[in-house]
Amino acid sequence: QVQLQESGSGVVKPSETLSLTCTVSGDSISSHYWNWIRQPLGKGLEWIGFFYQSSNPSYNPSLKSRVTISGDTSKNQLSLKLTSVTAADTAIYYCARRKYLLFDSWGQGTLVTVSS
Amino acid sequence: NFVLTQSHSVSESPGKTVTISCTRSSGSIANNYVQWYQHRAGSSPTSLIFEDNKRPSGVPDRFSGSIDTSSNSASLTIFGLTTEDEADYYCQSHDSSAWVFGGGTKVTVL
Repeated sequence: QVQLQESGSGVVKPSETLSLTCTVSGDSISSHYWNWIRQPLGKGLEWIGFFYQSSNPSYNPSLKSRVTISGDTSKNQLSLKLTSVTAADTAIYYCARRKYLLFDSWGQGTLVTVSS
Repeated sequence: NFVLTQSHSVSESPGKTVTISCTRSSGSIANNYVQWYQHRAGSSPTSLIFEDNKRPSGVPDRFSGSIDTSSNSASLTIFGLTTEDEADYYCQSHDSSAWVFGGGTKVTVL
């Protein structure tokens, strides 16, 4: 049974960089697509991007200029960096595995608040 | 990119049937498969439907997905509503550049 656990900074100041890690157990990040997805409070889900071992990361065009997603296969961890954050980046951030077309396993999510 | 538009909310009584729609703004709904997710308050999203109408193992057959090319939309139907079905439901699809979620539909079981 795959498990995903997000961790990282819960509060980030405006204009600074948000950094999160997703630790995966029960599967290898060398297989499948590993994604970051967020949900601003009271709003819907937004795909941020994915890491795939065999290709370059792919990002949501609306966030592409500020996002970096990478994977550490030795630690089986996925990471997210989002630069120049504003209040609009306040959200619950999820990591999720995608097998073919389906996001079939999700972490519990972590709330990140952008506030001075 | 395209947008997936869902109705904001729907309410129905236990035992009844509800249908949630998801309309694609550009490009054919048939070009890329549609998936559906259930998101209960305080929990992580879970998958309900993939490839328009297939259910992952463990999802009851009370959940059914379909697409309609004439309206360029996808639908999720929930038969025999129970209180456990009260949640937000999201459709999702993709194109060559992005993976897109609908805005979500809140289902309330009265």
